[in-house]
Amino acid sequence: DAGVTQSPTHLIKTRGQHVTLRCSPISGHKSVSWYQQVLGQGPQFIFQYYEKEERGRGNFPDRFSARQFPNYSSELNVNALLLGDSALYLCASSLWGNTEAFFGQGTRLTVV
Amino acid sequence: AQSVTQPDIHITVSEGASLELRCNYSYGATPYLFWYVQSPGQGLQLLLKYFSGDTLVQGIKGFEAEFKRSQSSFNLRKPSVHWSDAAEYFCAVGATLSYNTDKLIFGTGTRLQVFP
Repeated sequence: DAGVTQSPTHLIKTRGQHVTLRCSPISGHKSVSWYQQVLGQGPQFIFQYYEKEERGRGNFPDRFSARQFPNYSSELNVNALLLGDSALYLCASSLWGNTEAFFGQGTRLTVV
Repeated sequence: AQSVTQPDIHITVSEGASLELRCNYSYGATPYLFWYVQSPGQGLQLLLKYFSGDTLVQGIKGFEAEFKRSQSSFNLRKPSVHWSDAAEYFCAVGATLSYNTDKLIFGTGTRLQVFP
């Protein structure tokens, strides 16, 4: 069975640009969460979606947005990129909103 | 405020030695607790979890953790470390966002180095 898949695996963007990261959850999982992991830190919660509705948002600016599609896949969008947005972005899926989370391999975003 | 503290940033052990990684949490209700492992440049793999019941939890790869409510701790242990255990270890607590919806609050991690 396929695990959580994220694309792309690596990405280099210029300051001010926009980026879209994608996540496909484990089959049957209805909840997707996004986390940002800056080098040397633990992951920080950005968003959680359950049944296509936003259920929670972390302390991130409005430049960050996300959505979940009818097939439960998800996109994370970041506008007006800053150097500080450089990080590993992790997607996690779970069966429900409060069950065990399974993480993808992440997307490494570098902003130059 | 809900938080997780991992006091040890970096731990070095010899292969075959025992290991204990410390984790303290701050959470008002009964916590859901997790340990994850991350190899360089990779995602997170769940080692074990505590939801309720027996306070000594067994996980994968020979790891175990003990929940101690009185100490607000959930320390990870392994009796004999293998070189392949070298990685970053994260403790996390599940925090309620809304009905049936949780997020994970992570500690800053402990980097484990294993010498032959």
